[in-house]
Amino acid sequence: DADVTQTPRNRITKTGKRIMLECSQTKGHDRMYWYRQDPGLGLRLIYYSFDVKDINKGEISDGYSVSRQAQAKFSLSLESAIPNQTALYFCATSDSGSSGNTIYFGEGSWLTVV
Amino acid sequence: LAKTTQPISMDSYEGQEVNITCSHNNIATNDYITWYQQFPSQGPRFIIQGYKTKVTNEVASLFIPADRKSSTLSLPRVSLSDTAVYYCLVGDWRSNYQLIWGAGTKLIIKP
Repeated sequence: DADVTQTPRNRITKTGKRIMLECSQTKGHDRMYWYRQDPGLGLRLIYYSFDVKDINKGEISDGYSVSRQAQAKFSLSLESAIPNQTALYFCATSDSGSSGNTIYFGEGSWLTVV
Repeated sequence: LAKTTQPISMDSYEGQEVNITCSHNNIATNDYITWYQQFPSQGPRFIIQGYKTKVTNEVASLFIPADRKSSTLSLPRVSLSDTAVYYCLVGDWRSNYQLIWGAGTKLIIKP
């Protein structure tokens, strides 16, 4: 089983609909992240969380919200999806301790907004 | 934050050694250099990290000169399965959220 699991893996939704992407991790890490990747480009950070009570905006947070339900769970919501939010979304985790030099990514969630 | 520059694409042949160089002229004292590999439609995967000189693991080597303004990822004896995008990242790992992911280097291995 994957250490970082994202659901759904693929979703097509209509403009204006609310969509939630869920992420769970079994690595016991305290830090979790949501990234977005557009074709041919690098990753851009949407939100990050250092622990359950800590939520921070990333580079491109407009139009997104997140919830850290538990140390192992971090969900991303698009309150009213729009076509330019069509992208590949990645959840990731890292450790705040001495081993925090590695970011572990989920397998990604393809979101298409029509 | 240190900006990195790496080639947009490279190609090579199976069995060859591939070297991908990344420049990071404004690297800070506390910054580490980390390389990730990404296959299509998958999340990036950590390859190697270093601070100075040379680091080697089971899949790659990382060469960092004394001035640390560049680094070279070396992949020995590549195979078709090494075709992927490789990202060079520079930053303090304690601030992973500040890492800037460029477009990476698309490496294509030919038979």
